[in-house]
Amino acid sequence: DVKVTQSSRYLVKRTGEKVFLECVQDMDHENMFWYRQDPGLGLRLIYFSYDVKMKEKGDIPEGYSVSREKKERFSLILESASTNQTSMYLCASSFRDTVHNEQFFGPGTRLTVL
Amino acid sequence: KNQVEQSPQSLIILEGKNCTLQCNYTVSPFSNLRWYKQDTGRGPVSLTIMTFSENTKSNGRYTATLDADTKQSSLHITASQLSDSASYICVVTPNDYKLSFGAGTTVTVRA
Repeated sequence: DVKVTQSSRYLVKRTGEKVFLECVQDMDHENMFWYRQDPGLGLRLIYFSYDVKMKEKGDIPEGYSVSREKKERFSLILESASTNQTSMYLCASSFRDTVHNEQFFGPGTRLTVL
Repeated sequence: KNQVEQSPQSLIILEGKNCTLQCNYTVSPFSNLRWYKQDTGRGPVSLTIMTFSENTKSNGRYTATLDADTKQSSLHITASQLSDSASYICVVTPNDYKLSFGAGTTVTVRA
């Protein structure tokens, strides 16, 4: 079974704090993704990585950065957390094949910024 | 503007009844369409996938249909169970990695 794990299920931080969200996958997938999910908006892509040390901006990258030092690990960083970054964050991974590219999701991290 | 619209936003059904969820999309070109199920507090899990040439796909009590001409898909749940209570998300894949997600339909099954 594919497994995508995220470092925390729930996180509470204060405005201005630096926040690290970690994601690890065990299927040797090339692609890894970070999304945020807000009610009524669906999943929105923050950043995407198709290889180690490679990254591409998604639809809403402002206020976020990412790091992919190893193939299995993809980190999302909030340099200075703000209240509007309170959300559910989902990590996903997939093979590079664009035809049968099912994305496998982690359980999510619910982040609250006070 | 969201390129994937789902309806209804939410629905409540009695256990054992059937229901149908709708998905309209404008994404083009189109590679495949998936329906995901997301249980509360969990990540989405893929239920079905259909390519351009397929018009129906079943997974147990879940049946998805696709009309690529009208750009519409539906997900039919037969003989609903309490465990079907979840959010169902329609996801359209263009010819690259970037998926287009619907906002989801929340289904509540009551005993």
